[in-house]
Amino acid sequence: IAGITQAPTSQILAAGRRMTLRCTQDMRHNAMYWYRQDLGLGLRLIHYSNTAGTTGKGEVPDGYSVSRANTDDFPLTLASAVPSQTSVYFCASSDLAGKQFFGPGTRLTVL
Amino acid sequence: QQQVKQSPQSLIVQKGGISIINCAYENTAFDYFPWYQQFPGKGPALLIAIRPDVSEKKEGRFTISFNKSAKQFSLHIMDSQPGDSATYFCAARVSSSSGSARQLTFGSGTQLTVLP
Repeated sequence: IAGITQAPTSQILAAGRRMTLRCTQDMRHNAMYWYRQDLGLGLRLIHYSNTAGTTGKGEVPDGYSVSRANTDDFPLTLASAVPSQTSVYFCASSDLAGKQFFGPGTRLTVL
Repeated sequence: QQQVKQSPQSLIVQKGGISIINCAYENTAFDYFPWYQQFPGKGPALLIAIRPDVSEKKEGRFTISFNKSAKQFSLHIMDSQPGDSATYFCAARVSSSSGSARQLTFGSGTQLTVLP
């Protein structure tokens, strides 16, 4: 593994179902982030984590939850998916200088 | 409230031309301004960044111009190439000494197409 990996690459999900998007980094970065990308809206921060054991809410946190049990993993959970959560989701981490590195993304469609 | 406004939404440039993308911000506490490049199906990648103590930064064909008084910054791509075709995002960040995650506020993106 080099950098950030995300799984799955894409997913089609029925409304009301629970879904966890996985994110793993091997750079030992303390800070991690989840963004959603929608056309015309850019990247919007959902949740972030300063370090293992801590999380915080970003710009659009409603309907999403995160956990940070260790440094490497930062899963994003949709407890009950809705069509408005159809988007491309990016996980990122940042080094001590604040430079952010992004994963390849997960394309999620909620029907 | 959109704190970083980016324009244009899309841009078409001939090969060899200059591509210019503009961003304006509202929060005067922003002190770090990166540009990200994103190819289809990929995550964004840092292209170039500037701090407000300089008015210009150049890396190869890419230049950031920064106007602190106008609260504006722009990306110039000189001698644009078809391989530069991508979506470009400006962003801004408030550096924090409290240890909290250094959150970026992104512009809405510009889809650049460079014609051969």
